[in-house]
Order: sequence, then structure tokens, then C-alpha cells
Amino acid sequence: EIVLTQSPGTLSLSPGERATLSCRASQIISNNYLAWYQQKPGQAPRLLIDDASRRATGIPDRFSGSGSGTDFTLTISRLEPEDFAVYYCQQCATSPLTFGGGTKVEIK
Amino acid sequence: EVQLVESGGGLVQPGGSLRLSCVGSGFTFSSYWMTWVRQAPGKGPEWLANIKQDGSEENYVDSVRGRFTITRDNAKNSVFLQMNSVRAEDTAVYYCASGRYWTSDSWGQGTLVTVSS
Repeated sequence: EIVLTQSPGTLSLSPGERATLSCRASQIISNNYLAWYQQKPGQAPRLLIDDASRRATGIPDRFSGSGSGTDFTLTISRLEPEDFAVYYCQQCATSPLTFGGGTKVEIK
Repeated sequence: EVQLVESGGGLVQPGGSLRLSCVGSGFTFSSYWMTWVRQAPGKGPEWLANIKQDGSEENYVDSVRGRFTITRDNAKNSVFLQMNSVRAEDTAVYYCASGRYWTSDSWGQGTLVTVSS
């Protein structure tokens, strides 16, 4: 199975700052079928980005995804208070689908 | 508005069985892959299984293959997860999700399954 490693584990930033989250795969993800989700406490994950770089419906343009092959990045250009949460990447190319371990973005 | 509502969770003894249900509304259910994902307390999500629009294809993670079965009833806009031979490590919140392909575009609120004697 494809193992996804997210880094850093925790990102401590202030509102207005830029967040850069990394997701590295143990093998090439075909067609860049890589998704990013946001999860807040007590809530289900919410899809932010699919196909590595396509924003889901209703997602603000401060969220962007990039990367290909085995290295992917989620960037939040300017953190809003509601963006402090845990972010997960997921490869959707090969069964079993797998999630990364998550990056927590916390208020500094 | 897409809505997914899970039910059927609860307390079950090790070795027992449970059937989870998820009803979808606000979208053309029969046009979407359906997926089950679980999340143990304090852990990240774990993808469990998905099923194709017409039910002709199912995929499972190894940890549940042979114990859990995903099915769907498009006439009732429902997807199910039959859980057999449950173990303590199956304790988690179970989410159903929908997607045009394998990405989980929309999620339910989850149902808690606790495996304990």
C-alpha cells in the first residue's frame, strides 16, 4: 500500500501568516490523485483539494494545492481564524486508499 | 444540499456483529461511489471500503477484508457496512462519504461504534 508521510506534525503560526504543509508518498501517485481534507474537533473531514490542485466547491482561494508524483503541498496563503485545524492528505489512486498522519495547524 | 446520515452504531461485544446504514439525499445517489471511513479516538482517518455506483466493484483495506462487507441499495439511496467478528480495535467513529470517483467529496456526521465486553 502507498504510505503517506505528512510534515510537519504541528505548525504553529499566527493569523495572516502563510502555511505550507507537505505530503510525501512512498510511491508515485498515478494521475496525481491526491486529496487534502480539513478536520476540526468533533466534525467530519471536509474536502479542500482533489487531483492535487483542484479546489473543491466552496473552498476559498487562499487554499491551494500543488505537486506531482510523490511530493505534494497544501498552501494556505493567509491564515484566517477558522483555518486552525488538522489537515490530512489522502491518495485516491490505488486501493487501499490511504491517509497521511495529519498536520495540526495551531495558533502561535 | 448533499446530506449523508449514518445510523446503526452502538456498543457491541468482541466477536459480535453490527450493521451500519447511511442514507443519502440532495444528490443522485446512484451516480456516486460510496465509501466508509473510520476514525479511532485521537487518531487519523482510516479508509475501509468503497463500492461502485452499480455495486459491481468493491474494494477493502486488508484489516477488514473478510470481516466487513459494503453493499448499497440505490432504490433506497442507502449504503451499508456489515461488520462481523468485531474486535476492540474496531472501536471508532464510522463515516460514510460520497464521491464522483474515489475522492470523498461529502461526508456524514458519523456514528460511534464501541467494541467492549
